[in-house]
Amino acid sequence: GESVGLHLPTLSVQEGDNSIINCAYSNSASDYFIWYKQESGKGPQFIIDIRSNMDKRQGQRVTVLLNKTVKHLSLQIAATQPGDSAVYFCAENIEGYQKVTFGTGTKLQVIP
Amino acid sequence: EAEVAQSPRYKITEKSQAVAFWCDPISGHATLYWYRQILGQGPELLVQFQDESVVDDSQLPKDRFSAERLKGVDSTLKIQPAELGDSAMYLCASRLNRDRVADTQYFGPGTRLTVL
Repeated sequence: GESVGLHLPTLSVQEGDNSIINCAYSNSASDYFIWYKQESGKGPQFIIDIRSNMDKRQGQRVTVLLNKTVKHLSLQIAATQPGDSAVYFCAENIEGYQKVTFGTGTKLQVIP
Repeated sequence: EAEVAQSPRYKITEKSQAVAFWCDPISGHATLYWYRQILGQGPELLVQFQDESVVDDSQLPKDRFSAERLKGVDSTLKIQPAELGDSAMYLCASRLNRDRVADTQYFGPGTRLTVL
């Protein structure tokens, strides 16, 4: 997959505002998508997932939107808090395979 | 709350030395994964176990890396000899069900390896 090396895309958001993190995927056979949050020095933490037969799923303060037409996934975080500061990864599973592939991460910085 | 355990958390070694990492998945989880994560990138799968069997090791550099899960519970990943390019975070994850991918993978805290 595409790599950005040490230069992660960064999104800076004011505390209390909504955040939108985007992810593009390339394989039309992908049927399951997951968003993970990774804080510095820790392993990825599951946030929310969505199957390809859905276009929207909501959790607590988070919403994932899936647009299969343009192969695009987004994570919306409502009322962003300082604790949301982390790197966010989308991951996709290709139908028939029992593993997920991680995309390029986005670093979210919350400005107090 | 049950967690995936990994040790050590940090390892510094010299190139050409052997290193080993240990993972204890959440109790009852059939599937176990080892990933390598280079700084600034997403995790990349090295090996996947279902119970004690390897189901995918296509991305594992088998000339120097080996992994085992002898009793289908905890697992060890070994590198011998370590090279400078092996410096990375090594993550272990586990998942409950054997057949359903649409099932959360839980990650451990990782082992940060530095090869000098």
